[in-house]
Amino acid sequence: EAGVTQFPSHSVIEKGQTVTLRCDPISGHDNLYWYRRVMGKEIKFLLHFVKESKQDESGMPNNRFLAERTGGTYSTLKVQPAELEDSGVYFCASSQGLGLVWDEQFFGPGTRLTVL
Amino acid sequence: AQSVTQLDSQVPVFEEAPVELRCNYSSSVSVYLFWYVQYPNQGLQLLLKYLSGSTLVKGINGFEAEFNKSQTSFHLRKPSVHISDTAEYFCAVSRGGNDYKLSFGAGTTVTVRA
Repeated sequence: EAGVTQFPSHSVIEKGQTVTLRCDPISGHDNLYWYRRVMGKEIKFLLHFVKESKQDESGMPNNRFLAERTGGTYSTLKVQPAELEDSGVYFCASSQGLGLVWDEQFFGPGTRLTVL
Repeated sequence: AQSVTQLDSQVPVFEEAPVELRCNYSSSVSVYLFWYVQYPNQGLQLLLKYLSGSTLVKGINGFEAEFNKSQTSFHLRKPSVHISDTAEYFCAVSRGGNDYKLSFGAGTTVTVRA
């Protein structure tokens, strides 16, 4: 079974440009999460989808970030326009969504974004 | 809100020696506790978790952790490390229920030397 995949693995853009990150969750997983790690700091939650609906977007830093999950399958995270402080590693995770006490999240390898 | 503090950013250790990675958390509610590992160029992988029950939790690859409620700690240990344990380790908490989002510590890089 394929794990969570993310594309691209690296992206280098200039300040003011637009970048779109993609995450393909494990097939059949209803829950999809985005996290971000700024250099040397902790990994921080950005948002949580249940199928195509945003369940919790309390971690989104500002309105330059737009996440979508059309059809409840893959998700995209667009940054427009990118700023220097957006540099970091963006992780995606997915979980089944069985309504259990706890639902294990499986992480992708991350996308390293560098804004120059 | 929850917060997680990993007290050591770097831990060098010799092969076959024991290692302990320290994690403290703060939360106004009960939480679930986790340790994740990230090997180079890979995603985070769950090492072990504490949801309830026995405070000593055993995970994969010979790791274990002990939940101490009074000290709000969840330290990770391995009695004898291998070169392949070189990785970054993250402590995390979650409120559970319908709130599955994870709050992570800043990570501890373990470097195992021969």
